[in-house]
Amino acid sequence: DTAVSQTPKYLVTQMGNDKSIKCEQNLGHDTMYWYKQDSKKFLKIMFSYNNKELIINETVPNRFSPKSPDKAHLNLHINSLELGDSAVYFCASSQDARGTGYTFGSGTRLTVV
Amino acid sequence: AQSVTQLGSHVSVSEGALVLLRCNYSSSVPPYLFWYVQYPNQGLQLLLKYTSAATLVKGINGFEAEFKKSETSFHLTKPSAHMSDAAEYFCAVSDWSGNTPLVFGKGTRLSVIA
Repeated sequence: DTAVSQTPKYLVTQMGNDKSIKCEQNLGHDTMYWYKQDSKKFLKIMFSYNNKELIINETVPNRFSPKSPDKAHLNLHINSLELGDSAVYFCASSQDARGTGYTFGSGTRLTVV
Repeated sequence: AQSVTQLGSHVSVSEGALVLLRCNYSSSVPPYLFWYVQYPNQGLQLLLKYTSAATLVKGINGFEAEFKKSETSFHLTKPSAHMSDAAEYFCAVSDWSGNTPLVFGKGTRLSVIA
């Protein structure tokens, strides 16, 4: 029974398209996150939600829009995809905003061609 | 702002040798420190964490790390490397306030040679 699940695992799409990545956690955690891992493996926070409220919004292009319909789900929608958006996107959750241990999903590898 | 620096983007050890992966942090408030491991094409798995209790922290798979405030370090060690330890390792910092998410270092790739 996967704790943090992301779909799809792989996503190949053309420039200019719009795509969504879904994330669900069954841990009962209050806080969820999106991280981007670039080709050099560097992990950078994009967004954080606590109980469905946006609490962190880093300097991410506004083509990226997170949505949290309930505290168990945090989806990421990307408009007008660009080549530079190619990366692995990780969803994570934690019991509280202090992040005393995140649980990560297995990632979504996005390739924009 | 908080940050971590991992010294060495790639570390190579022989099977059975000591593993030492270095991490130094910068934080204006008492930090929480973490080590995560990422196997190829997988997500990140928590190895161990320091949250202001004991300074020597034991984790999974025989790894441990020691918080040294005077050196602002949180190095990861394992007495004897195994082939299955080959992976990418990330040090990360947060704080007790909850105002900042996990900030990761750039990662260290560990190779284990037979």
